[in-house]
Amino acid sequence: AQRVTQPEKLLSVFKGAPVELKCNYSYSGSPELFWYVQYSRQRLQLLLRHISRESIKGFTADLNKGETSFHLKKPFAQEEDSAMYYCALGPYNQGGKLIFGQGTELSVKP
Amino acid sequence: DTAVSQTPKYLVTQMGNDKSIKCEQNLGHDTMYWYKQDSKKFLKIMFSYNNKELIINETVPNRFSPKSPDKAHLNLHINSLELGDSAVYFCASSRRTGSEAFFGQGTRLTVV
Repeated sequence: AQRVTQPEKLLSVFKGAPVELKCNYSYSGSPELFWYVQYSRQRLQLLLRHISRESIKGFTADLNKGETSFHLKKPFAQEEDSAMYYCALGPYNQGGKLIFGQGTELSVKP
Repeated sequence: DTAVSQTPKYLVTQMGNDKSIKCEQNLGHDTMYWYKQDSKKFLKIMFSYNNKELIINETVPNRFSPKSPDKAHLNLHINSLELGDSAVYFCASSRRTGSEAFFGQGTRLTVV
């Protein structure tokens, strides 16, 4: 079965603290994985994808096929990082659909 | 200059009514999608169209019927609305299937 699991519904950290948003996936093929972010009252937007291996707004995510994980990390959280974060799996050759995790709400406190 | 736009942004209607949500993208993308976000913020794909052809229909009730008059538009028509249809509906598009998806701002549908 194709599935994405984000075990934490809410993650609360203080400004300057490291943050890790967990994502595990279940997929028998070669996965394409994404992190999307939804800031308050804004549209969902792509944060990063595993094939680009970029760092966006200080966030990075590494695909670990052995652990079937794609955790999102940032060494020093900022208040403006507070948002809803979704991990998504794009199964190959399935019409481009994205299978989303349940989402993790990140709250960064001053 | 909005890339993916949906109308209306909010929709409140009574059970049993028929309503439509419109979506337009000006990115020149070939593929468009409808996603549903429920009250627990869980996002799930409903439909996907590529060049006006339906390619994904994810076990959505027949009351939901997407229509793509051209590549830039994908509208969602819902018949006989039920309370459980209350959700936020997101339209999205991508250059091709599997590339980055750009989302609209969402339509919050409330059925009373």
